[in-house]
Amino acid sequence: ETGVTQSPTHLIKTRGQQVTLRCSSQSGHNTVSWYQQALGQGPQFIFQYYREEENGRGNFPPRFSGLQFPNYSSELNVNALELDDSALYLCASSLAYGLAGGPHEQFFGPGTRLTVL
Amino acid sequence: AQRVTQPEKLLSVFKGAPVELKCNYSYSGSPELFWYVQYSRQRLQLLLRHISRESIKGFTADLNKGETSFHLKKPFAQEEDSAMYYCALSPRVSGSARQLTFGSGTQLTVLP
Repeated sequence: ETGVTQSPTHLIKTRGQQVTLRCSSQSGHNTVSWYQQALGQGPQFIFQYYREEENGRGNFPPRFSGLQFPNYSSELNVNALELDDSALYLCASSLAYGLAGGPHEQFFGPGTRLTVL
Repeated sequence: AQRVTQPEKLLSVFKGAPVELKCNYSYSGSPELFWYVQYSRQRLQLLLRHISRESIKGFTADLNKGETSFHLKKPFAQEEDSAMYYCALSPRVSGSARQLTFGSGTQLTVLP
């Protein structure tokens, strides 16, 4: 069984640029969630994808967007980068969104560290 | 809107001493509560969830709806328990996105 993987590990961008982060979900998982973790803070929910559609969104502006592919891997895109976007971006996959009684445990990847200069 | 508060950023205890990491939440509905742990150089992982009522690595946590708390406890701390601990909440609503709301975390250090 392969765990959640994310690429790249680190990334440096400048203000105004665009960035794409990638996530491969754990084998058999069909739901992917993205979180932003600023330094000294807990992860903050960005959005979730289930069966290639956005299925819930946190308090993030539209310049944060995503995709999920048929193999359940996912991308997080951020346009017009701002200094405050500097953070660790975590991807988490889970097995079965919506199953009644399911534990819905989310398995986290190692994260991508984004620095915006 | 939901909110999770972990009042202690840092907590140090001696090996063998009891440890309690505090977590308070606010949510108008019926929540699911979790504790996640991140050991040094490892990824975030689930430690336990309140609906399972289980003890993991000697840790337990009881949901107190009256006090809206979900404190994590262990009677005898071990050095390997040193890690960052996050309390998290998910709405228990059918059809919800199951988003996790995390607290800001408590760094536990168990001294020899």
